[in-house]
Amino acid sequence: RKEVEQDPGPFNVPEGATVAFNCTYSNSASQSFFWYRQDCRKEPKLLMSVYSSGNEDGRFTAQLNRASQYISLLIRDSKLSDSATYLCVVDDAGNNRKLIWGLGTSLAVNP
Amino acid sequence: SAVISQKPSRDICQRGTSLTIQCQVDSQVTMMFWYRQQPGQSLTLIATANQGSEATYESGFVIDKFPISRPNLTFSTLTVSNMSPEDSSIYLCSVEQASGYTFGSGTRLTVV
Repeated sequence: RKEVEQDPGPFNVPEGATVAFNCTYSNSASQSFFWYRQDCRKEPKLLMSVYSSGNEDGRFTAQLNRASQYISLLIRDSKLSDSATYLCVVDDAGNNRKLIWGLGTSLAVNP
Repeated sequence: SAVISQKPSRDICQRGTSLTIQCQVDSQVTMMFWYRQQPGQSLTLIATANQGSEATYESGFVIDKFPISRPNLTFSTLTVSNMSPEDSSIYLCSVEQASGYTFGSGTRLTVV
């Protein structure tokens, strides 16, 4: 089983749609969770950290389910500019500064 | 958040040669991280660079192939030595911030 697994997509959605990405991780001792966004040929950029209580930032909502070792990202009212690859990132619990990266989920928002 | 200047942004190199990638941060940071992202692969940590000590390499990466320098708290270099086509990849430096990790813009390396 991969350490961090994501559905690679691509997800093709119309503008205004709501889309959800899921991510599972294998190490139950992991403590830090992030969603990053990577545009084509660019570096990853932090979208949001994921907290146990769940957190929301505008149209983006992240949820963490420790029991199921599952993280989600919900994007409401999709914009064309949301088209990117979304990377799920989890810390390596044995080495808190090391991050384990998912392969990413590709999203294309269409007009 | 910290601003990282990474260069070169891209290069095409002959096999057997070496390329040194530089990252300059606009603030002092204790640790800098070097990643590789091969086509269709997730980001993979190469090594962690601390100022004043030798870098710590991840499994599968060795100092002879990827020597790293960290002369001060704002600068680091990664060298890809004796390159082969398998080294073609994007190389990224990163620093840890309170809110997460910030990346340089990446170096797209093609080895021919």
